[in-house]
Amino acid sequence: DSGVTQTPKHLITATGQRVTLRCSPRSGDLSVYWYQQSLDQGLQFLIQYYNGEERAKGNILERFSAQQFPDLHSELNLSSLELGDSALYFCASSVGLTVSSGNTIYFGEGSWLTVV
Amino acid sequence: AQTVTQSQPEMSVQEAETVTLSCTYDTSESDYYLFWYKQPPSRQMILVIRQEAYKQQNATENRFSVNFQKAAKSFSLKISDSQLGDAAMYFCAYRRSNNNDMRFGAGTRLTVKP
Repeated sequence: DSGVTQTPKHLITATGQRVTLRCSPRSGDLSVYWYQQSLDQGLQFLIQYYNGEERAKGNILERFSAQQFPDLHSELNLSSLELGDSALYFCASSVGLTVSSGNTIYFGEGSWLTVV
Repeated sequence: AQTVTQSQPEMSVQEAETVTLSCTYDTSESDYYLFWYKQPPSRQMILVIRQEAYKQQNATENRFSVNFQKAAKSFSLKISDSQLGDAAMYFCAYRRSNNNDMRFGAGTRLTVKP
């Protein structure tokens, strides 16, 4: 158990719909990351928040957005869903902003999204 | 751009034997970190081992060790005394020290035969 909690574990929704994935980081971690794992794209970094502020953006679509709340939990919002958005979405957390000083990223168990 | 290449889509090993998974990466940076993550059928990403590029000594964690060749930009993972529970997808990952974007390879699926 990494200490990173994600809900829901599984989600099936129709094209065009909007979903919200939720993440609680490990206790004490200020950074939250979102990753997408799909069959054709592999593991892709989407976005990072640190202590409530967006700090880095990767291959995140404009239809997707995220935020980190004062209690440090984070939500990833996916809208106008397409079949190709079906993937495993990981949340990860770390203590600090960057990887130095032993700052390891720990992953949650992921949220399976199936768009039908 | 930094890229990570895992040239072995699948590998298999006999239980109790040793297997080496390959990883190469492309970067112009001198300060970075490398990781191996394991993804078992449960799909959770589990950190296996990490290596700081500024350290010449290869990292080890029990039965897991790496062969880090900085000049060759190679970072292989050796699993000794393989166990059935080692069966999983293994991902090599790269991250610059001052960057928040961790790049992953495509993964190697390891099968352990009893």
